[in-house]
Parts: sequence; C-alpha cells; structure tokens
Amino acid sequence: AQTVTQSQPEMSVQEAETVTLSCTYDTSESDYYLFWYKQPPSRQMILVIRQEAYKQQNATENRFSVNFQKAAKSFSLKISDSQLGDAAMYFCAYRSLAPDKLIFGTGTRLQVFP
Amino acid sequence: DTGVSQDPRHKITKRGQNVTFRCDPISEHNRLYWYRQTLGQGPEFLTYFQNEAQLEKSRLLSDRFSAERPKGSFSTLEIQRTEQGDSAMYLCASSSGQDSSYGYTFGSGTRLTVV
Repeated sequence: AQTVTQSQPEMSVQEAETVTLSCTYDTSESDYYLFWYKQPPSRQMILVIRQEAYKQQNATENRFSVNFQKAAKSFSLKISDSQLGDAAMYFCAYRSLAPDKLIFGTGTRLQVFP
Repeated sequence: DTGVSQDPRHKITKRGQNVTFRCDPISEHNRLYWYRQTLGQGPEFLTYFQNEAQLEKSRLLSDRFSAERPKGSFSTLEIQRTEQGDSAMYLCASSSGQDSSYGYTFGSGTRLTVV
C-alpha cells in the first residue's frame, strides 16, 4: 500500500523569506501523480502544485516549486517570497490510479510572521 | 459552475441518530470521492464513484455508512446510529477521470459533531 509521510508538523517563516516543506512517499507503482494542497483554517482544500512521476522536470507555479526526487521518493515544496496569506495547513498527496484515490500525509502547519 | 458544493456545512446530532450529507460535484466531472478528516490529520479516503457506480470502498466505511450516487450527479453519504467517533469533517471531491494529473477539486466539507 502507498503511504505519504510529512515529518514536519509545524514550520514557520518570516514574510518575504523562503521555506521548504518536506514529503516522502512509498509506492511500488511506476506511474502516479503527486500534489501539494493548501487548507486555510476553516476553508476548503486548494490545489497548489502537481507533478507527474514520469516527468523529470520539477513543477513550478509562480512562487511555489517542488523538488521531486523519484529514486529517493521525495517531493518537497518550496515557497519563495512568503506572504501572510500562505499561512495554512499544507498536505502532500499521492494519487494512485488503480484504484483511483488520493493518499494524504498528516500535514504541515505553516505560520508566516510579518 | 461554482465548484463542489456540500450541504450542510455543519451538523450537530445526538448519538444514535442518523445523518445524511449531500455533495454536488462539478457538473462535467464523472468521478466523485468522499473523505473523512479528523482534527490535525490528513483526509482519509472513504469511497469513490465513477458515474453512478461505486468502485471502491475503504475499510473505514463500516456497515453504518452508505453512499449513493443514483444518477451519476449528486451523491449522498448516510451515517446510521452515529457514534462520537464519527465526529469529523466529511469532504467531498470530484475529478474528470480523463486527466489524472489535475488532482481533485474539493468542497468545503460538512463538519459533523456527535454529542
């Protein structure tokens, strides 16, 4: 069975600085997708960034980028130029295709200080 | 399209009562998923539908839980004889089965409190 591990329950960063959130996963599949989701307090889960396992190039979305190391089964999220609105729970997720389901880590709470 | 809608947003019920939640997915999405999220944890998969067919059920989905998607559009999740351990956020999500790379779109959830 696939598992996702986020070893940092909480992280903090100062506004305008850079922070990296860690995620590792375990799978025997060769074809899968990885995602980072953001969940602000009492608000819905929002997709931040996605990565196809067959692509070697790391995904980038504006201030958000990933470091995808397939052999090491590592998928970290880097947030550059952090903003107060980035404060939220961040979940790393693995999408298996058969059966189709997202498997989440336990999350990292990110605090952003002015 | 306003995204994935869930109703109600909050539900407080007494132990032993039955509750039903509704989810309206994005109209062009043929896949619909239910997840449960307890405080401080990541969402846990419960079940998913492709159109009206329920294709996968987690072992978390005990006999007291039932989900339906009768016409391949909205879905309901019913919990019978609720227990305090059922208190959680119940999330619904939808996706287009044709492109797995886009992940799921989540609703705002239904927060259940069993007293």
